[in-house]
Order: sequence, then C-alpha cells, then structure tokens
Amino acid sequence: DGGITQSPKYLFRKEGQNVTLSCEQNLNHDAMYWYRQDPGQGLRLIYYSQIVNDFQKGDIAEGYSVSREKKESFPLTVTSAQKNPTAFYLCASRLRIGGYNEQFFGPGTRLTVL
Amino acid sequence: AQSVTQLGSHVSVSEGALVLLRCNYSSSVPPYLFWYVQYPNQGLQLLLKYTTGATLVKGINGFEAEFKKSETSFHLTKPSAHMSDAAEYFCAVSDSGGGADGLTFGKGTHLIIQP
Repeated sequence: DGGITQSPKYLFRKEGQNVTLSCEQNLNHDAMYWYRQDPGQGLRLIYYSQIVNDFQKGDIAEGYSVSREKKESFPLTVTSAQKNPTAFYLCASRLRIGGYNEQFFGPGTRLTVL
Repeated sequence: AQSVTQLGSHVSVSEGALVLLRCNYSSSVPPYLFWYVQYPNQGLQLLLKYTTGATLVKGINGFEAEFKKSETSFHLTKPSAHMSDAAEYFCAVSDSGGGADGLTFGKGTHLIIQP
C-alpha cells in the first residue's frame, strides 16, 4: 500500500530538548509539507520541499528545521528555540494532476512538552 | 491569492438530520476544491473533490458537495447524519502555482452529532 507514515504517534519532550519527527512516503511525490495543528487554528504551514535537497520556510518556521536528503523522507526537528511546541504535527505530500494539486496526509504525531 | 472561509467553527446536528457545512472560496483562477475529514488524533482524509465537469460531486460516506461559481461556494452536505460523522472537516482550494504550490485550507468546522 502506498502512503505516508509518521513516527512516533506520540512524543514527549522535556523543555530544552530537540526532537525529530519522522515522515516517510512511498508515493513517489516530489513535494512534501509539514503542518502544525492547534485547536481552532486549522493547519499552519511550517516548511515545504518541492524537490530533493531544497526546502522553503512556511508561515511559522521559527524554531523548526528540516532536511530533504531523499525523495522519500522529510524529517522535522523541533528545536529548543520553539517556544510553544506542544501541538499535533501533520506531514503531507503533493500530487500534481494536470492543472491542480492534491495533498495526501500522514497520520500525524502529537508532541507534548513536559 | 486563494483563500477559503468556513462559516462556523462548530456545527451541531441531531442524528438523522441534514448536515450542511459551509465553504466559500476566493480564487483568481478556475478553482479546484476539496473537502477533507479528520477524526481525532488522525491525519486528513479526502472526502471529495471538484476539478472539472459536473458541479455536484459525490464523495465517501454519503457526503456530497455542489460547486456554485456565482456564489463562490462549495458547501458540503449529507442527508442524514450518523454518529460516526463526528469529526473535523476542512475545505481547501488548490493553489495556482508559486509559493508552496499545494492547497490553501480553511480553519475547519467541528461537526458534533447529538444522539
């Protein structure tokens, strides 16, 4: 089955620690995205990557970092500089079909800072 | 630039009643429109999409949506709500290129089903 996997499902972090969230896709999609979700705020774009070895900041990139060394993988690191990291994190990939885009989502990682 | 407005952050209906979730969009180009559903602690799942052709689009779980260009709307409906429909629903429009070149999402509507 093709799809997107995220791990871990739940993650607990102490203040001051960096943590890395995994995102892997076997859909052969070029573009991948990271979103943060907080109650009542919808999806906010953190980072995106249109192609391997290239990525761009989204709307709320401060305190986060990413890498895109392989097409299949787009890990997100939440650094200690992120002031309020407790949230639900969603990874997505994009398929371009003719003139429009469609996005496919992973199951998410819930990060809690203790 | 595209934008999506979902009217009502929370909608409550009785089981068996009509479900209507409202979505209005702004787009400078012919829009491609989507509805996604999110169950608690899960990712987003595509319910249905409008690309071209028939303006009434049928999706999974008995949902459908109608694209109305004159009203710039893409409201989601289901004739009879079921308890399992309780979830968060997101309307989205495809970006026209440039920038993140993905989808622009509304803020979501939480659907509550009363027994």
